[in-house]
Formats: sequence, structure tokens, C-alpha cells
Amino acid sequence: GAVVSQHPSWVICKSGTSVKIECRSLDFQATTMFWYRQFPKQSLMLMATSNEGSKATYEQGVEKDKFLINHASLTLSTLTVTSAHPEDSSFYICSATLAGGPDEQYFGPGTRLTVT
Amino acid sequence: KQEVTQIPAALSVPEGENLVLNCSFTDSAIYNLQWFRQDPGKGLTSLLLIQSSQREQTSGRLNASLDKSSGRSTLYIAASQPGDSATYLCARGGDAGNNRKLIWGLGTSLGVNP
Repeated sequence: GAVVSQHPSWVICKSGTSVKIECRSLDFQATTMFWYRQFPKQSLMLMATSNEGSKATYEQGVEKDKFLINHASLTLSTLTVTSAHPEDSSFYICSATLAGGPDEQYFGPGTRLTVT
Repeated sequence: KQEVTQIPAALSVPEGENLVLNCSFTDSAIYNLQWFRQDPGKGLTSLLLIQSSQREQTSGRLNASLDKSSGRSTLYIAASQPGDSATYLCARGGDAGNNRKLIWGLGTSLGVNP
């Protein structure tokens, strides 16, 4: 149980275009989802905390107009990278916690974004 | 500033060896301490979660301990296997206003040689 999926697993896009990444909790309801990015040889950096039905809380230094997060249901959150640039190329990972459950976070397999 | 440090950064051991990975953190007012495994180019797998009121957790060949007073956690892997090769990340949970926010270490890259 507690499986989180991400789609797509990898994507290549041209500079200036927008890319949407989906994060789904497959077998549980998730009131809270987290979005991270990870650069090579570095640890995860939290970008934002997303609660179902409300606006995401962004970490300091993360542009909310560039990284649009929508958490419209208890099983789906999306991250849209708008006007992508090569420096946005990274590994994006989401995680989710069970509604009313313990604090353990369950992670998706990640999405590799390459902007050319 | 809250920080999480993992030592060593990399470790290579022969198969069958018992090993210990270390994680230290500033600020003893943590909510929980979690250990994860990450395979290259993959997402994370949760291994063990220790609540602040607990001292250790065990799962199979893995045992994680927590000492809040000294700001340390250790992950003990018994009888290591080549399949254990991965990066191991520890993360402390708990931040003012957000108990579920995780602060991450940089990880220990483990290689187990057959």
C-alpha cells in the first residue's frame, strides 16, 4: 500500500515552453503533498507544500509564478514549470502523507526534466 | 539554522559486513527522524521512521536509533548484500509551523561488493 506515482517519468522540452508533472496517490487519500527538486549529487530541496483545496505554501526562494502547483483532489497534485529554461533541468520528486495517518512520507519515482 | 549532516559521504564494504551510517542534526526539538534509500535516478523508499518519543526502530536487517540529546541517529545494516548498494538519506522532521517538513542530509553512498 501507500503507492505514489508520477507522470511523466522523464520529459524533454524546449526553452520557453511549459511542462506539467502529475503526482498521484494510487491507493490512499493524501491531504498533503510535497514537491522537491534534486540536482545531481545533491540532496532534495523542498519547493512547496500542497494541501488539498488550498493554495500551496512555497519555500523561500521558489518562484510561485514559475512553479505552479495545483492540488485539486485528495489523490492528485500537479506541478507546472512555466516558461522553462535550461537551469530548470532537474529531478522533480513528489511525496504524500496519508490523510489522518502517521507523518511518514511516501515518495513518487521522480520526473527527470531536461530543458534544451 | 537547522542542518543535517551524514558521515561518511561514501562507503564501500565487502558483502556480509555489518555497517553503521551516521546522521547528526542541530536542534534537538525534532518531530521525527526518517531514513530513506535512493537508487540512482530513482525516487525514494522509506526505510524507517523514528518518532521523537522513540529510541529505535527495526525492520529486517535494518536498525535505526535516535539520540535526541546528542543530536544523532544511526542506521545499522546487518549482513550487507550487494542489493543494499544505494544512497541512504536521513531527514529530520519538524519545523516551526510544519511538523511534516523534512530537513535532509546529503546522503551516504553505499557500495557493497560481492
